[in-house]
Amino acid sequence: DTAVSQTPKYLVTQMGNDKSIKCEQNLGHDTMYWYKQDSKKFLKIMFSYNNKELIINETVPNRFSPKSPDKAHLNLHINSLELGDSAVYFCASSPLRASSYNEQFFGPGTRLTVL
Amino acid sequence: AQSVAQPEDQVNVAEGNPLTVKCTYSVSGNPYLFWYVQYPNRGLQFLLKYITGDNLVKGSYGFEAEFNESQTSFHLKKPSALVSDSALYFCSVRDPRYGGSQGNIIFGKGTKISVKP
Repeated sequence: DTAVSQTPKYLVTQMGNDKSIKCEQNLGHDTMYWYKQDSKKFLKIMFSYNNKELIINETVPNRFSPKSPDKAHLNLHINSLELGDSAVYFCASSPLRASSYNEQFFGPGTRLTVL
Repeated sequence: AQSVAQPEDQVNVAEGNPLTVKCTYSVSGNPYLFWYVQYPNRGLQFLLKYITGDNLVKGSYGFEAEFNESQTSFHLKKPSALVSDSALYFCSVRDPRYGGSQGNIIFGKGTKISVKP
């Protein structure tokens, strides 16, 4: 069983479109995250979320919004896609929100290409 | 502000030779330090972490890392590299003073390891 899964694996779309990426974890973790990895492999956190608290990286445009239907899912919705949004997006999860010592479990990534 | 540096973009190693991936950090308090590995077209996988206690920590796939407070370093090491160790390695630091805040999660830029037969 895949611990953290994402769909789709690849997403190609036109500028200006709205798209969503889905993430599910079956680890029973309390906290989920979204990361963006650019073409130079730099990894940057976008959001962290549990059922009580959403923390947004201040550099993330408000076109990006996480949506969590339940504890096991954290989807990423992107409005008005731009060329610069092209990247690989990773979902991750970890147990116990307040425990900074917990490692994260990453999904396989979604490669987004905006044309 | 906290930061983490991986000074080498790429390290080439012959199979069987020792492997070292460098990481230095800057945080105001005592850091929590992590190493992750990313194989091509895959997500990151956790290797090991330092939270407290013994400065030498052992992790997956024969890797280990040494926490050096005076040098603010957390270098990843493996005594004998394998071709299958070829991947991208990320160092990560968290400042425990921030608790669950995601704002404390910082990743280095990554170091590509290439192990040749």
